[in-house]
Amino acid sequence: EAGVAQSPRYKIIEKRQSVAFWCNPISGHATLYWYQQILGQGPKLLIQFQNNGVVDDSQLPKDRFSAERLKGVDSTLKIQPAKLEDSAVYLCASSRGQGALTGANVLTFGAGSRLTVL
Amino acid sequence: DQQVKQNSPSLSVQEGRISILNCDYTNSMFDYFLWYKKYPAEGPTFLISISSIKDKNEDGRFTVFLNKSAKHLSLHIVPSQPGDSAVYFCAASAGSGYALNFGKGTSLLVTP
Repeated sequence: EAGVAQSPRYKIIEKRQSVAFWCNPISGHATLYWYQQILGQGPKLLIQFQNNGVVDDSQLPKDRFSAERLKGVDSTLKIQPAKLEDSAVYLCASSRGQGALTGANVLTFGAGSRLTVL
Repeated sequence: DQQVKQNSPSLSVQEGRISILNCDYTNSMFDYFLWYKKYPAEGPTFLISISSIKDKNEDGRFTVFLNKSAKHLSLHIVPSQPGDSAVYFCAASAGSGYALNFGKGTSLLVTP
């Protein structure tokens, strides 16, 4: 099966500019996640979708970050305006989701989008 | 607050020997634990998992041990190979389909 696709792979912007990341999950995966991984840290959950509904966005900085998952498939993550501390790799992952008989907790990650804010 | 802790940032092991990576957690609601492996410029890839009803799970050279009373798990790689050199993340979730909480990772270097 095709993996999780993310674009762009790399993005460099100035602070206060905006940026958007796109993710296409594995076909049939109901749950989609966006994680932020800062250098030297583990991935940190930003938002979790089940189909096109939000399950958990408690750690999403909503004053500058937004995410949507239209039609329960692709998703975009937007940052506006960006700050220096947003420099990180943004990882998208998908899983079969709650209710799946197997693999509900196994996330498959994309290669990530590396953001550098200058 | 860091609910999953990997206290060893790095580990170096000789090829053919055993690698042991450790992980501690604080949330007693966690009931599913996973190990992910990450190479540079790639996303983490799933390696092995264990549910809280078990204390051991084995897959080839990889074995995960869970000690619920100590809130501790470990990943054993035997024998270690140079291709195992990567960053290993421990992760945990509280319930089916819930997001994973990750540790900071341990960088494993297997030398020939």
